[in-house]
Amino acid sequence: DAMVIQNPRYQVTQFGKPVTLSCSQTLNHNVMYWYQQKSSQAPKLLFHYYDKDFNNEADTPDNFQSRRPNTSFCFLDIRSPGLGDAAMYLCATSRDTGETQYFGPGTRLLVL
Amino acid sequence: QKEVEQNSGPLSVPEGAIASLNCTYSDRGSQSFFWYRQYSGKSPELIMSIYSNGDKEDGRFTAQLNKASQYVSLLIRDSQPSDSATYLCAVKRNTPLVFGKGTRLSVIA
Repeated sequence: DAMVIQNPRYQVTQFGKPVTLSCSQTLNHNVMYWYQQKSSQAPKLLFHYYDKDFNNEADTPDNFQSRRPNTSFCFLDIRSPGLGDAAMYLCATSRDTGETQYFGPGTRLLVL
Repeated sequence: QKEVEQNSGPLSVPEGAIASLNCTYSDRGSQSFFWYRQYSGKSPELIMSIYSNGDKEDGRFTAQLNKASQYVSLLIRDSQPSDSATYLCAVKRNTPLVFGKGTRLSVIA
């Protein structure tokens, strides 16, 4: 089945220790998104790629970076995680921007 | 004014009743509207999309769109305890989607 896969599902890291979250898709969608979601809040868009074109949200901290080496994979790098970065990180894809987004299962990040 | 507004709830309805979830949006040029369901600790999953004024039905779910009033709603008929979740409204303004904070629905058996 076509799907969006995120690894790992749970990630524990230490304050200031770089961490990378992974997302892959078999939908062959052009657009891949990364969201941060904290408890009882809406998903907050961090950035998205349309193919290789990177689009950063204005309020996304520099601490968050992303890479999309090919159509199928997209990575979220947190260079120096702080306690406030503990959250669920959601990857989503869509065929085109503004179209239906399909979410992966998410990675829950814990920062100690 | 927030771009997409939803009552955070919780909205409690008895099993078998109709649950009505509402969403308003600020950008009159919005074109596409989506309802997602999110169970606690899980990722959002698409329930319905709607693009034109009026009603769109899918099983127990009906989405209603009124662009003049900048209002979109989701009705859940014959509510079940398994419908207990947070329902997120999402709106296409330019690119990409803008999400509301969600309404928490609790269906009481």
